[in-house]
Amino acid sequence: GAVVSQHPSWVICKSGTSVKIECRSLDFQATTMFWYRQFPKQSLMLMATSNEGSKATYEQGVEKDKFLINHASLTLSTLTVTSAHPEDSSFYICSATRPGELFFGEGSRLTVL
Amino acid sequence: AQKITQTQPGMFVQEKEAVTLDCTYDTSDPSYGLFWYKQPSSGEMIFLIYQGSYDQQNATEGRYSLNFQKARKSANLVISASQLGDSAMYFCAMREEGNTPLVFGKGTRLSVIA
Repeated sequence: GAVVSQHPSWVICKSGTSVKIECRSLDFQATTMFWYRQFPKQSLMLMATSNEGSKATYEQGVEKDKFLINHASLTLSTLTVTSAHPEDSSFYICSATRPGELFFGEGSRLTVL
Repeated sequence: AQKITQTQPGMFVQEKEAVTLDCTYDTSDPSYGLFWYKQPSSGEMIFLIYQGSYDQQNATEGRYSLNFQKARKSANLVISASQLGDSAMYFCAMREEGNTPLVFGKGTRLSVIA
């Protein structure tokens, strides 16, 4: 079964609203989680590295005030897309690591109207 | 900086035939891992096969094998006896030593024809 769970799988929201996506490691503690974004017909691009108990490290070009990442516990990281706009519509996917292994969540497809 | 190159945007293969998906990489780290993932239209990332930079033998997992040529920095995926269900996007990825993220290539869309 899945060892990393992501929720919600699908979300549709109005422009200007905020959306929270959760990434949970189900049976292990993940000190580090990674967030990726994938536009249609493109590859996965790393957005940020989420470390438990500290601020996330964002990749160049990713707005940290727009994509808020919180990793408050060893099993949960959240990505909040603030004031979402249609150009934020994308597939967001997280991954979590434990020694020697890396697992992906199921992904969250965001559509901003 | 690490980089993954997949030069085949799309590939077609006849059912039951073998197909090779190309991947080259670039890194200055002597210790790294190479991965292949399958992504169907649902979006989930399905792990297929892994090759460590120090592994002496090519990795194999069922119908998947990885043709690892370290000197050429290539890690091609070979799928034998293709099935219709193999139609999907395939991503090559690399991870350097430590708690680092995967870096992905642009992907190859494989279409299996009956």
